[in-house]
Amino acid sequence: DAGVIQSPRHEVTEMGQEVTLRCKPISGHDYLFWYRQTMMRGLELLIYFNNNVPIDDSGMPEDRFSAKMPNASFSTLKIQPSEPRDSAVYFCASRYRGNTEAFFGQGTRLTVV
Amino acid sequence: GESVGLHLPTLSVQEGDNSIINCAYSNSASDYFIWYKQESGKGPQFIIDIRSNMDKRQGQRVTVLLNKTVKHLSLQIAATQPGDSAVYFCAAEGSNDYKLSFGAGTTVTVRA
Repeated sequence: DAGVIQSPRHEVTEMGQEVTLRCKPISGHDYLFWYRQTMMRGLELLIYFNNNVPIDDSGMPEDRFSAKMPNASFSTLKIQPSEPRDSAVYFCASRYRGNTEAFFGQGTRLTVV
Repeated sequence: GESVGLHLPTLSVQEGDNSIINCAYSNSASDYFIWYKQESGKGPQFIIDIRSNMDKRQGQRVTVLLNKTVKHLSLQIAATQPGDSAVYFCAAEGSNDYKLSFGAGTTVTVRA
């Protein structure tokens, strides 16, 4: 398996634009997590899914953020409209419920100007 | 949710010496405590975990100690190598869910 795959690796967008981040979890994993990492706030859990169903989205900062998981092999995190304070590295991670190890993707570095 | 925090943001260690990274947590109900390593430009990578009913667990060159009395967790790295230079995070898994809450991270720099 190639691991958790995120795209794009880097995204630069203008304030007000819509941004969509993508994630392909490891096959067979039933949990998927979206994290945001900044220097100020560290690693924050935004939302996580179990078997494609959102379980906890209490970390989603605002209504501008939304996440979907239409099937077991794909998830998106959308920001609309984007703002400069959304600039961060966004990580997707997946795991199997029988194992504590979560596997992280390489991350998407988002810059909103 | 679980709150975890690290004691020192940075640690400089001589190559070959042992490293100790400390972490404190607030919620005693967590089932697992986990250490992750993050190298520059990469996502966090699992190192080792310890279940809440254990005091110590050893891996390859790493040992995790859990002191539930004072709610303290530590990661010991034996014979630190240049490849150990990274940011280390402690994390706690919720008792009733799989939410993973991360501490602030300690940057370890290995001096040659």
